[in-house]
Amino acid sequence: AQSVTQPDIHITVSEGASLELRCNYSYGATPYLFWYVQSPGQGLQLLLKYFSGDTLVQGIKGFEAEFKRSQSSFNLRKPSVHWSDAAEYFCAVGDSILTGGGNKLTFGTGTQLKVEL
Amino acid sequence: SQTIHQWPATLVQPVGSPLSLECTVEGTSNPNLYWYRQAAGRGLQLLFYSVGIGQISSEVPQNLSASRPQDRQFILSSKKLLLSDSGFYLCAWREAFTLHFGNGTRLTVT
Repeated sequence: AQSVTQPDIHITVSEGASLELRCNYSYGATPYLFWYVQSPGQGLQLLLKYFSGDTLVQGIKGFEAEFKRSQSSFNLRKPSVHWSDAAEYFCAVGDSILTGGGNKLTFGTGTQLKVEL
Repeated sequence: SQTIHQWPATLVQPVGSPLSLECTVEGTSNPNLYWYRQAAGRGLQLLFYSVGIGQISSEVPQNLSASRPQDRQFILSSKKLLLSDSGFYLCAWREAFTLHFGNGTRLTVT
């Protein structure tokens, strides 16, 4: 069964500082990987996704993530954090083959990001 | 373009009362639809998914049920709410391999 681990429950960074949120996954084949962001009381917005090809993927809002197969990781990064980036971030892993079973996503427990001004 | 709607946005219900949360998708046909629940500090838990009208798969045994009476409508229900049903409920539809989420319903059972 697939699983996702986000080891950091809370992270605090200063505005303008760099950010890295960690994500480790377990999956039997090549995974499809996602990062979502959730503002308080809102749904989840897709930041970026990795399916294949270049292991460094660019997303919205200046975020990027790097897929490292050898480490089973898909860490999210941003070079300079803005106060508006404060939110909860979820990593997810999904099936890489379309099936009749719904192609579910499995999510990590999330990392709450606080940005200090 | 495709959009997904969930309502209500917030709901406060007493223990033992019934529940009906609705989700509709526009701009696509025969989507795969999903209900997730988010409890504090526990991430997102998949409750149900549907690959077509009348086809419901349950991921966890619980006090809730789901139905899909129309192609783009997905309903989450309960006959009698429990305190443990409190949480944030999210509906999503699948585009290829990606899930797109609605804005969620905050349910508080008192």
